[in-house]
Amino acid sequence: NAGVTQTPKFQVLKTGQSMTLQCAQDMNHNSMYWYRQDPGMGLRLIYYSASEGTTDKGEVPNGYNVSRLNKREFSLRLESAAPSQTSVYFCASSEVHLVYEQYFGPGTRLTVT
Amino acid sequence: LAKTTQPISMDSYEGQEVNITCSHNNIATNDYITWYQQFPSQGPRFIIQGYKTKVTNEVASLFIPADRKSSTLSLPRVSLSDTAVYYCLVGGRNFGNEKLTFGTGTRLTIIP
Repeated sequence: NAGVTQTPKFQVLKTGQSMTLQCAQDMNHNSMYWYRQDPGMGLRLIYYSASEGTTDKGEVPNGYNVSRLNKREFSLRLESAAPSQTSVYFCASSEVHLVYEQYFGPGTRLTVT
Repeated sequence: LAKTTQPISMDSYEGQEVNITCSHNNIATNDYITWYQQFPSQGPRFIIQGYKTKVTNEVASLFIPADRKSSTLSLPRVSLSDTAVYYCLVGGRNFGNEKLTFGTGTRLTIIP
C-alpha cells in the first residue's frame, strides 16, 4: 500500500514549456486534490476532484488544468509554465469530500526559469 | 473555511508538553477543527480532528472550550522529531470551497 504517489519528484522547466504532474492513490479514495506550497507559505488549493468524473477550481487555478483520469489518478498540467509557478506541488486524496483526513503525497518540486 | 489565527512560531525543550492555540472566532455551527503536521520536504499529515470538548489519540490531544472560538493542540512529552509546522483548519465536513487554505501554520522547534 503506497498511499499517494507523485511523479516526478523534481523538475526544471523553461518559461513557456509545458508539463504534466502525475498523481495516483491506491486507497480507493473518491476525492483528490492538488495544492501548491510556496516558500514559507501554507498550502493553497489549485483544483480538486470530489469524485471520479468531476473537477472544480480551488483558490489558485489560473495557469493550470487537471484531469481525473480514473478513480486512482489525478493529473495537473501546466500548459505554458511561468516563473510564478515555481513551487512545491502536493497531491492529496480523501475517502470522501472532507476537509479532514486528507492523505498527502511526497510532493513535486518544480522550478521554472 | 473560518479564518484562523495561530502563533507563527514556538520553541520548546525536549520532554515538555507543548500547547498550540488556534483562534477561530467566526466558527460556524457545523464546522469541525482539524490539525495537520508537516515535516520539512514532506506533505502534511492529519493529526487530530474534533468538534467540541476533548479528543485524544495516540499522537495528541485537542481541547475545545464550550464556545468553540478557540482550540488547543497538546503534544505530550515532545521530542526532536516533533519539530514541524502545525496547521489549524476549521470548516465543514464537505468543504467544497475554493478558498480552502492551510495558512502559514505554527513552526514548532524542539530544542535538545
